[in-house]
Amino acid sequence: GAVVSQHPSRVICKSGTSVKIECRSLDFQATTMFWYRQFPKQSLMLMATSNEGSKATYEQGVEKDKFLINHASLTLSTLTVTSAHPEDSSFYICSARAILGLAGGGYQETQYFGPGTRLLVL
Amino acid sequence: AQSVSQHNHHVILSEAASLELGCNYSYGGTVNLFWYVQYPGQHLQLLLKYFSGDPLVKGIKGFEAEFIKSKFSFNLRKPSVQWSDTAEYFCAVNAGGGTYKYIFGTGPRLKGLA
Repeated sequence: GAVVSQHPSRVICKSGTSVKIECRSLDFQATTMFWYRQFPKQSLMLMATSNEGSKATYEQGVEKDKFLINHASLTLSTLTVTSAHPEDSSFYICSARAILGLAGGGYQETQYFGPGTRLLVL
Repeated sequence: AQSVSQHNHHVILSEAASLELGCNYSYGGTVNLFWYVQYPGQHLQLLLKYFSGDPLVKGIKGFEAEFIKSKFSFNLRKPSVQWSDTAEYFCAVNAGGGTYKYIFGTGPRLKGLA
């Protein structure tokens, strides 16, 4: 199946610094990628939709200046946590939208998820 | 706004027991429905999905789910669980219509066997 990678897998940084997380679709092109945040013992919360060549669409309550998203190519989206603080510590997961052709014609779309990046801000 | 709720908190089962995990969503239009599994230390994997057609969907690893439109439900089942099914299970909904985004279950994540 399709593979999505994230880098780094975990990162520890000091408060006030910025951290960039990469999300790559390895064997398919993705015009749309998504960024999620997962708190301990909780489900995935959609942060934003990343569109190749255009601005990201942020969910309500997510600060766009805090979480900068760049989708510069069809296989790469980046999430930069700017001026990180301890409350930004979390597990960040990306997904990439893929379109699958069906045997009988037509198509279905699905998302493939990356392995996640654990961010710890000290 | 769309929302997805999962009813079970922590589920502890013996091997060979049957499993059913509940999922309800709130959206009146056409939806695509998914169940994902997250094994310890691993990323999300798709168990099964429903787009249209037969409301009883077969997935991988012996899982199945039934879409009941009148109840806005998409419950996950497995007749006989194994130790290796210990994981966290997430229900997700996509409202389609070009939005593409998934909304995941808002309830606590579910764990399998003890």
